[in-house]
Amino acid sequence: DQQVKQNSPSLSVQEGRISILNCDYTNSMFDYFLWYKKYPAEGPTFLISISSIKDKNEDGRFTVFLNKSAKHLSLHIVPSQPGDSAVYFCAASSFNFGNEKLTFGTGTRLTIIP
Amino acid sequence: SQTIHQWPATLVQPVGSPLSLECTVEGTSNPNLYWYRQAAGRGLQLLFYSVGIGQISSEVPQNLSASRPQDRQFILSSKKLLLSDSGFYLCAWSWGVNTEAFFGQGTRLTVV
Repeated sequence: DQQVKQNSPSLSVQEGRISILNCDYTNSMFDYFLWYKKYPAEGPTFLISISSIKDKNEDGRFTVFLNKSAKHLSLHIVPSQPGDSAVYFCAASSFNFGNEKLTFGTGTRLTIIP
Repeated sequence: SQTIHQWPATLVQPVGSPLSLECTVEGTSNPNLYWYRQAAGRGLQLLFYSVGIGQISSEVPQNLSASRPQDRQFILSSKKLLLSDSGFYLCAWSWGVNTEAFFGQGTRLTVV
């Protein structure tokens, strides 16, 4: 049962344009969401997070939006740069579970076209 | 600052052989520790996590086991590897609930 879903396995975006990566979740108990970036043969690195008490969090070129009613979050990267080409994972956790773990999506491979 | 070390980076093992992957964290105490596996089309699958020495939670039934003999040491093991155990294994640590996890560089395991 995939509780965190990234329905687009890949995405190509022109350099300088906006990249929008989407993530849906099914468990309404999730209240903390994160985005990770992963290069081949390396561990994922943390990008940005958002708590369910917010609907937007911004950090430089990266903005995460959360729509709790739709159980949907998205990561916006603007402007997109070649170094942004990587696999992006969204993840979720729940304080209410006393849950120590993150549940990850299957990832979206982003390719920035120069 | 905190660092996480995971080794080896790559490993080729025959079917039926044992496995031991080690992960250590420096610069923090009593971290939560995790083992994940990345397989094609499956994203990051949580295998085990530990909130303290000797405390291991298993997420999926499998041919693997984990142990935490010391506060900052997490070991992934198998007595007999299967072909399906091939994948990219990642160790991670975090401070607790609703915090980000920090990952090691991963181990590419190929079972032949």
